[in-house]
Amino acid sequence: GESVGLHLPTLSVQEGDNSIINCAYSNSASDYFIWYKQESGKGPQFIIDIRSNMDKRQGQRVTVLLNKTVKHLSLQIAATQPGDSAVYFCAETVRNFGNEKLTFGTGTRLTIIP
Amino acid sequence: DVKVTQSSRYLVKRTGEKVFLECVQDMDHENMFWYRQDPGLGLRLIYFSYDVKMKEKGDIPEGYSVSREKKERFSLILESASTNQTSMYLCASSPLGQGADWETQYFGPGTRLLVL
Repeated sequence: GESVGLHLPTLSVQEGDNSIINCAYSNSASDYFIWYKQESGKGPQFIIDIRSNMDKRQGQRVTVLLNKTVKHLSLQIAATQPGDSAVYFCAETVRNFGNEKLTFGTGTRLTIIP
Repeated sequence: DVKVTQSSRYLVKRTGEKVFLECVQDMDHENMFWYRQDPGLGLRLIYFSYDVKMKEKGDIPEGYSVSREKKERFSLILESASTNQTSMYLCASSPLGQGADWETQYFGPGTRLLVL
């Protein structure tokens, strides 16, 4: 069956450095991907998304890269700050024109070291 | 800003009790979802609804039911709570249509339920 997973469950990064969080997906029909950030005690918060017709999308300090050939997604966070410490989830869906369900990965815990 | 609220942040219930978890969104979204989140398992979809009075089973509907009487409100019901339903419960909503974010789900803060 389809699965969305992450290469590393935990990641520690020095404050100010860049971080890269990876995600693999197995459903080649997936055409929309989202990264969420979940801080302790809170619900997931949308960070950035990308559609399958794109390879790269940039936001504020974040970049998402999509490699459809190897079914790989990554989230790059530039100049990490203490507030970036959280669990990051990727999610994928196949467009169904109305009843989209997201499939989530288990998450990567990012810790920023001061 | 989209706002999804959940009626309780923390709940403690006893085995066998009937439990209601309420979720309200203020963005006129058609789709609403209930997930549970457990360590190592990520988010798992319990039920979702794409319209008032409509509901669809997700991946783990057993032991749960839902109610969507109004567009803005989606309730999750545990008919007879059991200890294995101790979890973090997350509600989400998303719009229906061709807007820029029509697949994006917006989450509430979560309800941490402990069943004793």
